[in-house]
Amino acid sequence: AIRMTQSPSSFSASTGDRVTITCRASQGISSYLAWYQQKPGKAPKLLIYAASTLQSGVPSRFSGSGSGTDFTLTISCLQSEDFATYYCQQYYSYPPYTFGQGTKLEIK
Amino acid sequence: EVQLVESGGGLVKPGGSLRLSCAASGFTFSSYSMNWVRQAPGKGLEWVSSISSSSSYIYYADSVKGRFTISRDNAKNSLYLQMNSLRAEDTAVYYCAREGTGRRGFDLWGRGTLVTVSS
Repeated sequence: AIRMTQSPSSFSASTGDRVTITCRASQGISSYLAWYQQKPGKAPKLLIYAASTLQSGVPSRFSGSGSGTDFTLTISCLQSEDFATYYCQQYYSYPPYTFGQGTKLEIK
Repeated sequence: EVQLVESGGGLVKPGGSLRLSCAASGFTFSSYSMNWVRQAPGKGLEWVSSISSSSSYIYYADSVKGRFTISRDNAKNSLYLQMNSLRAEDTAVYYCAREGTGRRGFDLWGRGTLVTVSS
């Protein structure tokens, strides 16, 4: 199974900051990578698919990049509603679909 | 409204069984592959099982293989997960999730249903 590793596992930032979360695959996955946002007690929400394509309705301050094994999610100007946990997921080789362990973004 | 609504969760003893359901509405259910994803308390997301639009392809995580069975009824716009031989480590919120057309990740999720396995 392909292993997905996110970094950092958690960190603190302030509104207005630019933040970047990284995700590394244990083997090449082309661009078959998605990013999800999850708030406490809620279901995950798809933000980005195909590594860099913004899901409809997602604010443009979110962007994704990368291919192969290394990927990033960037939030250009943090808003209060962006404090959440973020997960990457590969869908290049399945089963199983695999998720990263999550990155919890907290308010500084 | 486009939505998925899970039901069927609850408290069950180790070794017991439970059947989860996911009702789809607002879209052509029969056109999409569907998945179950779970999240143990305080933990990350774990993919459990998937089923293609016509049930031709079915996959399971190793952790549930031989114990869980995924199925769907396109006439009823419903997805199911039959869970047998439940263990404490199966305790989680179970989400059904739609796989976006053209391999776009999981683009629609239900609110989840909590399964607790405890004596």
